[in-house]
Amino acid sequence: GAGVSQSPRYKVAKRGQDVALRCDPISGHVSLFWYQQALGQGPEFLTYFQNEAQLDKSGLPSDRFFAERPEGSVSTLKIQRTQQEDSAVYLCASSPRTGLAKNIQYFGAGTRLSVL
Amino acid sequence: AQKVTQAQTEISVVEKEDVTLDCVYETRDTTYYLFWYKQPPSGELVFLIRRNSFDEQNEISGRYSWNFQKSTSSFNFTITASQVVDSAVYFCALSEAYNQGGKLIFGQGTELSVKP
Repeated sequence: GAGVSQSPRYKVAKRGQDVALRCDPISGHVSLFWYQQALGQGPEFLTYFQNEAQLDKSGLPSDRFFAERPEGSVSTLKIQRTQQEDSAVYLCASSPRTGLAKNIQYFGAGTRLSVL
Repeated sequence: AQKVTQAQTEISVVEKEDVTLDCVYETRDTTYYLFWYKQPPSGELVFLIRRNSFDEQNEISGRYSWNFQKSTSSFNFTITASQVVDSAVYFCALSEAYNQGGKLIFGQGTELSVKP
């Protein structure tokens, strides 16, 4: 596609439920990032993939958060046993590793997660 | 440690006024990138500009201009003759050139409101 696509755009979960958020990056982009944005704050880094390899997961807040990118394209961020503090917008970004746009991250519209 | 500070939380101007958004950063690296992103109400972060630490030339793109001053660790953004469509949250971000993939460290954002 032309841009980074995220689904669903909105997700409401009951506390304790598991959720899965999907990111479809720009075709050919090797790098993929997940960020969490709380209301009124700047995005905060969660994890980074280069192709299918998860090279940095230092930002994942707990072991309830898990991300994968098995074929080096689409990525899924999974949150198990959701809690109210997980309520946020989850942003996905992709970037190429070569060319003029190298290391410029292009973002999707995000998934707004509300945990009740 | 890396840090980005956007001291202005909210700015309100009247259309056609000039406005400057401030950004101050901290990093121990000598090689790094600085970015500005725009986040309109739709939520998607829109890339505006990237500068590397070796290039201190100011840049102008239409009504937008950026002033990078390494001596004061600042990367300020000026909108000339603001328009209502400029209303959005603007984020300044930093990435170290040689870290894994170039994860972004964001400031808290400045919400710009341009009134007709």
